[in-house]
Amino acid sequence: EDQVTQSPEALRLQEGESSSLNCSYTVSGLRGLFWYRQDPGKGPEFLFTLYSAGEEKEKERLKATLTKKESFLHITAPKPEDSATYLCAVQAKTSGSRLTFGEGTQLTVNP
Amino acid sequence: EADIYQTPRYLVIGTGKKITLECSQTMGHDKMYWYQQDPGMELHLIHYSYGVNSTEKGDLSSESTVSRIRTEHFPLTLESARPSHTSQYLCASSESEWAPGNEQFFGPGTRLTVL
Repeated sequence: EDQVTQSPEALRLQEGESSSLNCSYTVSGLRGLFWYRQDPGKGPEFLFTLYSAGEEKEKERLKATLTKKESFLHITAPKPEDSATYLCAVQAKTSGSRLTFGEGTQLTVNP
Repeated sequence: EADIYQTPRYLVIGTGKKITLECSQTMGHDKMYWYQQDPGMELHLIHYSYGVNSTEKGDLSSESTVSRIRTEHFPLTLESARPSHTSQYLCASSESEWAPGNEQFFGPGTRLTVL
């Protein structure tokens, strides 16, 4: 059974204080790992797809990396507008286009 | 602009009522999905479709039903709403199950409350 565990559950940072969110996964053959951002009361917003270990992707203050067992979302010099819940999901080679989601990390950035 | 739409955004309804949650996308995607999400919890797949006249049940048991008569439209129906159906319902679509194009794009969601 595919599993995704995200840590920490919640993270409070001061503006400018860099940190990382973790996504550990167990999947029977990884087809893709996805990061989303979700604001309260809204649908998830797609951020990145990672396909193979060693791959990295960047967007503004966010950088996602992937190993064979986990992915990290690095946030550099965060701003209050980066406050949101960050979701990780995996797609297994055996599950078609179906995704398995983690519970997310709720990030709060204080000014 | 290519997008995915859900209506209504909020719905408060009494027990026993029949409801339909609408989802439409203008991205030309073949694959569409319905997820259920409770506050602070992960998304659970309840239905998906790989194209017109194709529907499958997801990982989470649900009393809802779906239909896919047109590529762009994937409505979800509850024949008799119950308080246990209170949740956020999210619709998504993707171009493919293969990379590239396997990322899913989500609508804004429908917050359903059954009294």
